[in-house]
Amino acid sequence: DTGVSQDPRHKITKRGQNVTFRCDPISEHNRLYWYRQTLGQGPEFLTYFQNEAQLEKSRLLSDRFSAERPKGSFSTLEIQRTEQGDSAMYLCASTPLAGDEQYFGPGTRLTVT
Amino acid sequence: SQQGEEDPQALSIQEGENATMNCSYKTSINNLQWYRQNSGRGLVHLILIRSNEREKHSGRLRVTLDTSKKSSSLLITASRAADTASYFCATVPNNGGSQGNLIFGKGTKLSVKP
Repeated sequence: DTGVSQDPRHKITKRGQNVTFRCDPISEHNRLYWYRQTLGQGPEFLTYFQNEAQLEKSRLLSDRFSAERPKGSFSTLEIQRTEQGDSAMYLCASTPLAGDEQYFGPGTRLTVT
Repeated sequence: SQQGEEDPQALSIQEGENATMNCSYKTSINNLQWYRQNSGRGLVHLILIRSNEREKHSGRLRVTLDTSKKSSSLLITASRAADTASYFCATVPNNGGSQGNLIFGKGTKLSVKP
């Protein structure tokens, strides 16, 4: 068990470009969450997967954002036509079906210039 | 949107002293959790307290929950320099539709000086 991993750890992109982040949860964790954290704030929920099904999306998740978890294992979060306001830390967390405690990855820090 | 707020926003103490952080939230909850975030690192789960519990201990940590006041406190006893971090409370709403997603406060930044 190597914990939740995220790739890349840092991403700098120009406004208008598309970016994709990957999250590998702890194996056999059915539930996977994406959060966004800006400086000085707590994380804010973006979306939730149970296995491959995306069951909940926050209003924060505009139509420029899309997330997938095609085989119920790793997940990707894509942001199209990035804006400066998208600059943040993107966190992924996983938990087993019967658990409440969430295990977080180190995050991907996105900077949009 | 943020569920609640931690108080104080920042706390500076000497090693060996106790640190108390408070959290208030707005809606009915299933459970409340505390997480720690070190500079540049991910969030680490510390302790969970369910809505029908009033107090819980784990090592040097003590958490209380008052659902009538919608508030919780985290006490760290005999603090160490390594406890320097931001501490967040996070709630799981009890609204029937919740999928377990956490709603975080803004955090308390704790600094423990050696």
